[in-house]
Amino acid sequence: GEDVEQSLFLSVREGDSSVINCTYTDSSSTYLYWYKQEPGAGLQLLTYIFSNMDMKQDQRLTVLLNKKDKHLSLRIADTQTGDSAIYFCAESFMDSNYQLIWGAGTKLIIKP
Amino acid sequence: NAGVTQTPKFQVLKTGQSMTLQCAQDMNHNSMYWYRQDPGMGLRLIYYSASEGTTDKGEVPNGYNVSRLNKREFSLRLESAAPSQTSVYFCASSETDRGNQPQHFGDGTRLSIL
Repeated sequence: GEDVEQSLFLSVREGDSSVINCTYTDSSSTYLYWYKQEPGAGLQLLTYIFSNMDMKQDQRLTVLLNKKDKHLSLRIADTQTGDSAIYFCAESFMDSNYQLIWGAGTKLIIKP
Repeated sequence: NAGVTQTPKFQVLKTGQSMTLQCAQDMNHNSMYWYRQDPGMGLRLIYYSASEGTTDKGEVPNGYNVSRLNKREFSLRLESAAPSQTSVYFCASSETDRGNQPQHFGDGTRLSIL
């Protein structure tokens, strides 16, 4: 079946850029989402990209999609302490009746 | 700006007790979802409702039942709670179930089964 993989942890220094990566196995993906979860809270939609796009930029966030390698990334410029959270990628696939398949989440740790 | 509201926020149950988790959305969305979140496993879909009047099983439906009471409300019931159901439960809604509209989440219900 479909699988979405993420590294469990990423540690960066405050002010640096963070790059969170996600890989998937199914080539029939349609929409790809990034969500942020702060401690004790629900999931907040950050941004999303349609599978026919290569890049989307929204203020400090840049999403890159490499369809050939089935690789999705989220870049956060000028990382701040408020960016500490777990980041989930999720993808909808035609073959899964468009239900979202979720990665396990990447915990972003900010070092001062 | 309520969005998706879940109640209760926390609950402790004894094994074998029953419980209903409530979810309501005020965005006039057609589709609603119940997930569970366990450490290191991301979100797993329990049940979903593509539209009012329909419900379907997700990845992990065993031990749960759902009711789509009306367009706004979608409840999740544990008939006989088991320790393996200790988890954080999230309700979400989206305009459609076709994957081209983002899902909006509630703040979760933290459920412990002793």
